[in-house]
Amino acid sequence: EVQLVESGGGLVKPGGSLRLSCAASGFIFSNAWMSWVRQAPGKGLEWVGLIKSKAAGGTTDYAAPVKGRFTISRDDSKNTVYLQMNSLKTEDTAVYYCTADVPELGHGEFDYWGQGTLVTVSS
Amino acid sequence: EVVLTQSPGTLSLSPGERATLSCRASQSVSSSLLTWYQQKPGQAPRLLIYGASSRATGIPDRFSGSASGTDFTLTISRLEPEDFAVYYCQLYGSSWTFGQGTRVEIK
Repeated sequence: EVQLVESGGGLVKPGGSLRLSCAASGFIFSNAWMSWVRQAPGKGLEWVGLIKSKAAGGTTDYAAPVKGRFTISRDDSKNTVYLQMNSLKTEDTAVYYCTADVPELGHGEFDYWGQGTLVTVSS
Repeated sequence: EVVLTQSPGTLSLSPGERATLSCRASQSVSSSLLTWYQQKPGQAPRLLIYGASSRATGIPDRFSGSASGTDFTLTISRLEPEDFAVYYCQLYGSSWTFGQGTRVEIK
């Protein structure tokens, strides 16, 4: 059974930092492209960023609103992906979902989702 | 950047009825890169349809997807009570883009 378990969410002041973790199991993590997708309260889904598998170059890509502030990394030995969030703004308040894109279906979609972790940026 | 526009915003239907949801891309895109998700209240989204028309594992065959040019359609042939939810389309192009969602509610 595939599991993605996020942790690290919470309340942080504007300008602060937070690191989210996502522990994966049930699939070959090293082959997966891992993304973070967020959802502000009552709003739709917004892709945040991605890290490709090492076989695909291990490169990262970010949505414009977070570029330069957020960093995604992965530790294939721990089956874990991270989202380091710096210079947080109130508009970053959202549930953050960890997602996995496995090669069996091709690439480009979010095959598996975690349950999400809430990040609240407020003074 | 490609923009995905979903319509209608809300669809009010009764169980047993047919639901037709639209997702239009602002420019020509490969249909193999269009995906549909379902999200129920308080839950994470789940993959429904990938490659515009392929059902994900475990998805009932009342769900189907199709493509015609820049227009993509998700059809639920006969709505079951558990199908009332929000549906999002998503595209993998130069970036990863979501539509704004269509809510299917009980009439």
